[in-house]
This record gives sequence, structure tokens and C-alpha cells, in this order.
Amino acid sequence: SYELTQPPSVSVSPGQTASITCSGDKLGKIYSYWYQQKSGQSPVLVIYEDDKRPSGIPERFSGSNSGNTATLTISGTQAMDEADYYCQAWDTTTGGVFGGGTRLTVL
Amino acid sequence: EVQLVESGGGLVQPGGSPRLSCSASGVSISIYWMGWVRQAPGRGLEWVASIHHDASEKDYADSVKGRFTISRDNAKNLLYLQMNSLRAEDTAVYYCARLRGALHQYYIDFWGQGTLVTVSS
Repeated sequence: SYELTQPPSVSVSPGQTASITCSGDKLGKIYSYWYQQKSGQSPVLVIYEDDKRPSGIPERFSGSNSGNTATLTISGTQAMDEADYYCQAWDTTTGGVFGGGTRLTVL
Repeated sequence: EVQLVESGGGLVQPGGSPRLSCSASGVSISIYWMGWVRQAPGRGLEWVASIHHDASEKDYADSVKGRFTISRDNAKNLLYLQMNSLRAEDTAVYYCARLRGALHQYYIDFWGQGTLVTVSS
């Protein structure tokens, strides 16, 4: 089955740029999606189809996907962005698959 | 306002067979793929199962294949997850999810609040 790999944690200072990577075999040939999950809450979609932002998601969230790596970038990171972030792709055999998640800490 | 409300969780003995339900309001689920995602305590998200809008196609994670069955009743706007032969490692919050997508690739655009299933004797 398809696997996605994320770093367990990323730290960033307020106002700086945070980058969270997601690696998978030929990931750039399929769509990647990103979710934010704050403590005790359901996840929220922040990026779909590699680089599209749903309505209501701030412009500081952006995405890219090429080769074997998708990247979620948060520009001008704010304290409210501290959360767990999960990438996701679609496997034709088993359906959706998530990465292991990345804890973003805003120091 | 779209709402997905899960029910059927609780304490279950190992080997038990509960059925989770997801009731949708503010939207007809009949035109959407739907799915279930779970999250064990302190762990990451795991995609469990998904179902085509007319139930003609169903996908399952390897960890639940043969034990769990996803189904739907579009007339009642309900999604189900029948879970059999439960194990301790099935303990998790189970989220109901609405899927969207293009080119036969799907993502979740709306999540329920989740229902906790605890497998323990």
C-alpha cells in the first residue's frame, strides 16, 4: 500500500516561514492534500489538489507538489497556526492514505 | 449549515460488533463519496473506509479489511460502519467524512466531530 512520510515535528518563530514536507513514491504525479488539526478538534482542510486553498483559509497557507515531495508552506506564521498537520493522497487500491503527521510549534 | 453527527461509540468488549452511524443534515449525501477516518489516542489519522455515492465502490484500509463494512442509506441521509471482531488496537475516535475530488482522487472537505470507540474488557 502507498505510504506518505512526514517529519514528526517542525519549529518556527512567529512571523517566519514554516515548511512541512510529505514524501511518497511519485507523489508529484497525483494530488496532495493538507489538513490542520488543533488539539481536541476535528481536522480542517487547508490545501487541496496540491495548491488550492478552500474558502476561509488564510493566504499565508500555500502548497506545492513535485517529484516525490509535497510541501505545505506557512508564510508569516502566527501563534494560532500551532497544530498538527497531515498530508493525504489517494491510493487506487485502498482509498485515502495519510502521512504520520507533523507537530508545528511556534516558538 | 452542514452537519455530520456520529453515534454508536462507547465501550466495547474485544470481539464485539458495534455499528457506527453518521447522520447528515444541511446536505444530501447522495451525491458524495463518504468515508470514515479514525484516530487512536495520541496518534495520527488513519483512513478506514470510503464508499461511492451509489455504493458501487468501496475501499478499505488493510488493517480493517474483512472485519469492517461501510454502507449507506441515501434515502435516510445516513452513513454506517459495521465493525466486527474488534481488537484493542481499534480503540480510536471515529470521524465521519464527506469527500470531494477530481480525476478519481478524493479528499475530505467536511468532518464530523467524531465518536470514541474503546475496546476493552
